Amino acid sequence: RKEVEQDPGPFNVPEGATVAFNCTYSNSASQSFFWYRQDCRKEPKLLMSVYSSGNEDGRFTAQLNRASQYISLLIRDSKLSDSATYLCVVSSNAGGTSYGKLTFGQGTILTVHP
Amino acid sequence: NAGVTQTPKFRVLKTGQSMTLLCAQDMNHEYMYWYRQDPGMGLRLIHYSVGEGTTAKGEVPDGYNVSRLKKQNFLLGLESAAPSQTSVYFCASSSPPGTMGETQYFGPGTRLLVL
Repeated sequence: RKEVEQDPGPFNVPEGATVAFNCTYSNSASQSFFWYRQDCRKEPKLLMSVYSSGNEDGRFTAQLNRASQYISLLIRDSKLSDSATYLCVVSSNAGGTSYGKLTFGQGTILTVHP
Repeated sequence: NAGVTQTPKFRVLKTGQSMTLLCAQDMNHEYMYWYRQDPGMGLRLIHYSVGEGTTAKGEVPDGYNVSRLKKQNFLLGLESAAPSQTSVYFCASSSPPGTMGETQYFGPGTRLLVL
């Protein structure tokens, strides 16, 4: 089982649609959670951190369920510019060191069409 | 601020050749990382460094070596390139985990093709 699993998609949605991405992680000791966005042939960039209480940033809402080891990202009112790959990322301490190991899901591809 | 930069952007090697990828960051970050990204595999950590003069192995270190002689630079070396090392290589940097700056910032990537 992969440490971080995502539905690879692709998701094809019209502008204005609401779309949700899910992610599960296997390491119950994971400490921090993130969604990164990666445009085609570009580097990953942080979209938002994910907190236990849930958090919102404009049209984006992230949720974390530690009991189920499940993370979600909701995008409302999709824009053409939202087309990208969305990476679920989980951080955990590696071997008791201070290094925070990031484990990346393989990404979910989103295409928003007119 | 340039953030994280990588050179070269693209390179073609023949099997057995060697090369060094350079990563530089101007954010005074302690931590630096080298990843490779392959289709369907996500990003995988090759090596990382928690400070100048220190390096450690990540998830897929075989065939690679690294050096961190200066805080702002992190070099990734391929001593004898193999076709299996064809990939996109990303460098990243961050503040120590647990601090406000835990986010990893990535460079634009180096596309390597080994024939």
